[in-house]
Amino acid sequence: KAGVTQTPRYLIKTRGQQVTLSCSPISGHRSVSWYQQTPGQGLQFLFEYFSETQRNKGNFPGRFSGRQFSNSRSEMNVSTLELGDSALYLCASKTPEGPYNEQFFGPGTRLTVL
Amino acid sequence: AQSVTQPDIHITVSEGASLELRCNYSYGATPYLFWYVQSPGQGLQLLLKYFSGDTLVQGIKGFEAEFKRSQSSFNLRKPSVHWSDAAEYFCAVGAPGGYQKVTFGIGTKLQVIP
Repeated sequence: KAGVTQTPRYLIKTRGQQVTLSCSPISGHRSVSWYQQTPGQGLQFLFEYFSETQRNKGNFPGRFSGRQFSNSRSEMNVSTLELGDSALYLCASKTPEGPYNEQFFGPGTRLTVL
Repeated sequence: AQSVTQPDIHITVSEGASLELRCNYSYGATPYLFWYVQSPGQGLQLLLKYFSGDTLVQGIKGFEAEFKRSQSSFNLRKPSVHWSDAAEYFCAVGAPGGYQKVTFGIGTKLQVIP
């Protein structure tokens, strides 16, 4: 079974631009979560989507948004990029129908904002 | 709200020495606990998890962790470290039920010296 895939792997943008990141979950997983990882901050939870609905949300400004499609693929968008948005963005999928919270992570998209 | 503390940001051990990475959590009931490892340039890989039952949990790559309710701890151990274990390790806590958010610690970066 293929793992979680994220595209692109690397991205360079300038301040003020917007960016869209993509995540394809493991087949059969209907939940997709997004995290921002920066040195010294660890993983900060952005949001989780399940069946095309945002179910949980972290403490990020409205510039960060996401969506999920009927095939469970998810996209994350960041508008009006700031230097502080430079980070590794990780996507994770899971099967929330069971009692557990085990997540499977993709390799991440490394975003650099200049 | 649940939280995780990893008090050690960096740890250096000699190859062949034993390892213990500390993790303390805050949660009102019995949580679901996880340890993940992240190698450079990679996503997170699950090492082990605890949901219930035996408090000593065995994971992949020779790692184990012990859940101690009285100390709210879930420390990760390995009896003999290999150079390939150099990575960043994350402890995470989640509420029971697949619909709950998982909270990650800030991570501990492990350096292994020959």
